[in-house]
Amino acid sequence: TQLLEQSPQFLSIQEGENLTVYCNSSSVFSSLQWYRQEPGEGPVLLVTVVTGGEVKKLKRLTFQFGDARKDSSLHITAAQPGDTGLYLCAGAAYSGAGSYQLTFGKGTKLSVIP
Amino acid sequence: ETGVTQSPTHLIKTRGQQVTLRCSSQSGHNTVSWYQQALGQGPQFIFQYYREEENGRGNFPPRFSGLQFPNYSSELNVNALELDDSALYLCASSPGTSTYNEQFFGPGTRLTVL
Repeated sequence: TQLLEQSPQFLSIQEGENLTVYCNSSSVFSSLQWYRQEPGEGPVLLVTVVTGGEVKKLKRLTFQFGDARKDSSLHITAAQPGDTGLYLCAGAAYSGAGSYQLTFGKGTKLSVIP
Repeated sequence: ETGVTQSPTHLIKTRGQQVTLRCSSQSGHNTVSWYQQALGQGPQFIFQYYREEENGRGNFPPRFSGLQFPNYSSELNVNALELDDSALYLCASSPGTSTYNEQFFGPGTRLTVL
């Protein structure tokens, strides 16, 4: 069974601060995705990283995939109240018959206080 | 372009009953995946359907079953409901089964088992 450990589980910071969320596993993934989920809604994909060592930037968000494709991080610069939400990482691994199964972490609940 | 829709939005059942949840995939998407998200947890993969065939299954008992129709919409059926089945059930569609295919989630169905 593949597991993804996310940390921290909860994060409450002031507007303008920086933060990093970590996603770690002992398993290798074909790709890793980061989602953001608002209460009462389904997760929305932010980014997919595929290559070991890959770094992707989305405005103030920077995503990194570990060299061994077992871990990833999400860094937010100058957090804003609009960044508040549940951040989920999900690793894709081949499960046979041409399909890939997503394994999700438990999520990091971020609150940005104005 | 219509996104992923799910029905109903909320449902209350009693232990031992059966339930059917429905999902309409995004236009052009032939793959549907179902997830269970318990309170405070990340989504857990139940199964995936590709072109009307089950294409991968997570660690869920056989009383969780599904269907995909020729228009690629899908149903999740749960028999003999248990209290622990209370959760948000998410459906996600994608244009294929590759690891690079983004999954687009619906808003979910909140199931409460009493």
